[in-house]
Amino acid sequence: NAGVTQTPKFRILKIGQSMTLQCTQDMNHNYMYWYRQDPGMGLKLIYYSVGAGITDKGEVPNGYNVSRSTTEDFPLRLELAAPSQTSVYFCASSYGGEAYEQYFGPGTRLTVT
Amino acid sequence: AQSVAQPEDQVNVAEGNPLTVKCTYSVSGNPYLFWYVQYPNRGLQFLLKYITGDNLVKGSYGFEAEFNKSQTSFHLKKPSALVSDSALYFCAVRGPNSGGYQKVTFGTGTKLQVIP
Repeated sequence: NAGVTQTPKFRILKIGQSMTLQCTQDMNHNYMYWYRQDPGMGLKLIYYSVGAGITDKGEVPNGYNVSRSTTEDFPLRLELAAPSQTSVYFCASSYGGEAYEQYFGPGTRLTVT
Repeated sequence: AQSVAQPEDQVNVAEGNPLTVKCTYSVSGNPYLFWYVQYPNRGLQFLLKYITGDNLVKGSYGFEAEFNKSQTSFHLKKPSALVSDSALYFCAVRGPNSGGYQKVTFGTGTKLQVIP
């Protein structure tokens, strides 16, 4: 049981490049989330999904896109990377909604220069 | 709008002493409250939660938290701190279901330093 896995662990992008952050969970959770963590700012929700085929925007969705074709996978796409997207990105999942705790992946540290 | 505040950026405590990490919240209706811990270069790990029932909640690694509705607080406590408890702690709140998904709001985190 691997839980939530994320790849890559680290990435350096040039301004204007694109990339996909991968996230997979093996707990059969319905809900999945993408957060970014900036120093002293806590976690900000980028996108979330309540099940395969269903996604919605969080607090800071601009510059990102997601898809959820299967229960297990929830990739995050960065288009036209900007320095403001330099951050640590965490994927998380939970069995259900409000009352359920979230399980986090190890994170991807992204630098845009 | 819901919010959560962790008033201390850092808490220092001597090993063996009791520790408290503070959290206050603001939400309409009954809150769902969570504590998570983050070790360096790792994702957040769930410690405990309050949904309903007993105001004193026990969680992983000997941690507990007390829900105080009148003071809108959910402080994290441990009777005897260990050096291995040194980490970043996040409080989180979620409002009740109002017909759609209610996102969780995380605090900015409190760094706990346990001094040997």
